[in-house]
Amino acid sequence: EVQLVESGGGLVQPGGSLRLSCAASGFTFSGYWMHWVRQAPGKGLVWVSRINSDASRTTTTYADSVEGRFTISRDNAKNTLYLQLNSLRAEDTAMYYCARGRAAVPGALNWFDSWGQGTLVTVSP
Amino acid sequence: EIVMTQSPATLSVSPGERATLSCRASQSVSNNLAWYQQKPGQAPRLLIYGASTRATNIPAWFSGSGSGTEFTLTISSLQSEDFAIYYCQQYNNWPYTFGQGTKLEIK
Repeated sequence: EVQLVESGGGLVQPGGSLRLSCAASGFTFSGYWMHWVRQAPGKGLVWVSRINSDASRTTTTYADSVEGRFTISRDNAKNTLYLQLNSLRAEDTAMYYCARGRAAVPGALNWFDSWGQGTLVTVSP
Repeated sequence: EIVMTQSPATLSVSPGERATLSCRASQSVSNNLAWYQQKPGQAPRLLIYGASTRATNIPAWFSGSGSGTEFTLTISSLQSEDFAIYYCQQYNNWPYTFGQGTKLEIK
């Protein structure tokens, strides 16, 4: 069974930092692109970032709203996805979900076929 | 950025009836469109990908159609467990974008 378990959320002051983790199990983690998606309280889903599966040639993409402040990474030996959040703002307050990407062809366009339960990040003085 | 617009925002339907949810893209996304269901306090769940392919273990009363800019999710006979928020998402272009959601409520 595919499992994704996020951790690392919490309360942080504006300008602060957090590192989120997503522990994966039940599948070959190194073979999949992985994504972070967030959801502000009472709001809709917003894609945040993605990382490809090829550890030798890592590529990443970010939403404009987090570019330069957030960094996605992965450790395939530990089956873990990370998101480093720096220079946090009040508008970054959200539930952060990790999601597994699936594609018709490896490396192609992804939909999200498995999601974790999320970790809540609250940015407040 | 491609803007995804869902309608209606809220849909009230009686159990056993049919529900039709719409999603429009601001430019063509081909068939690179997914639908997700989210219940309160839960993570989203994939229902449909490729605009019309049901995900694993998704009941046959869910169906998706459309291509280009106009898409539809149809729930042919609503069960009590189907009342939730539904999101469409395009994965044709970066950044991937979601619609604002349609809340399906019991009439």
